Amino acid sequence: DADVTQTPRNRITKTGKRIMLECSQTKGHDRMYWYRQDPGLGLRLIYYSFDVKDINKGEISDGYSVSRQAQAKFSLSLESAIPNQTALYFCATSDSMDRDYFGSGTRLTVV
Amino acid sequence: AQSVTQLDSQVPVFEEAPVELRCNYSSSVSVYLFWYVQYPNQGLQLLLKYLSGSTLVKGINGFEAEFNKSQTSFHLRKPSVHISDTAEYFCAVSERNAGNMLTFGGGTRLMVKP
Repeated sequence: DADVTQTPRNRITKTGKRIMLECSQTKGHDRMYWYRQDPGLGLRLIYYSFDVKDINKGEISDGYSVSRQAQAKFSLSLESAIPNQTALYFCATSDSMDRDYFGSGTRLTVV
Repeated sequence: AQSVTQLDSQVPVFEEAPVELRCNYSSSVSVYLFWYVQYPNQGLQLLLKYLSGSTLVKGINGFEAEFNKSQTSFHLRKPSVHISDTAEYFCAVSERNAGNMLTFGGGTRLMVKP
């Protein structure tokens, strides 16, 4: 099993719809992150969480929200999806040695 | 705040040739430096990282990178590439003691041709 699992792998949704991307990890790490990847821009941090009660905005949090349901689960929501949120989204965890583990990504298309 | 610039968006190279992927960063504090590789339709995989000590860092798959503090660079090199090295490569930095929040460059697509 993968260390970091993202669901769904691909999703097409309509403008204005609410959508949730889910992430779960089996590493037992406290730190979890959500990034989005756009061509030419690399990955940009959306939200991060250092433990269940600690959630922080990243570089590009507008239009997104997150929920840390448990140490192992960190969900990203788009309350009202818009086309410029079309991107590849990655969840990641890191341990105390700053080693990162990335999921395989969720490709989201907003039409 | 820190930033990362990858100077080449695409690098075409023939198989068995050497390659260098360039990365420059800016930061007002000390940083950790990373290179990640992303194969098609996959997540990111850590190639190597610089935390402290020797400025020449060796990673997986024959890659190495050299930290140059005066030039604020962390270029990635491989003496002889393979077709299987075709992928996108990302340079990233994180501030020391900042919980490993990564700032990524825009990526460099390495295209190895036979």
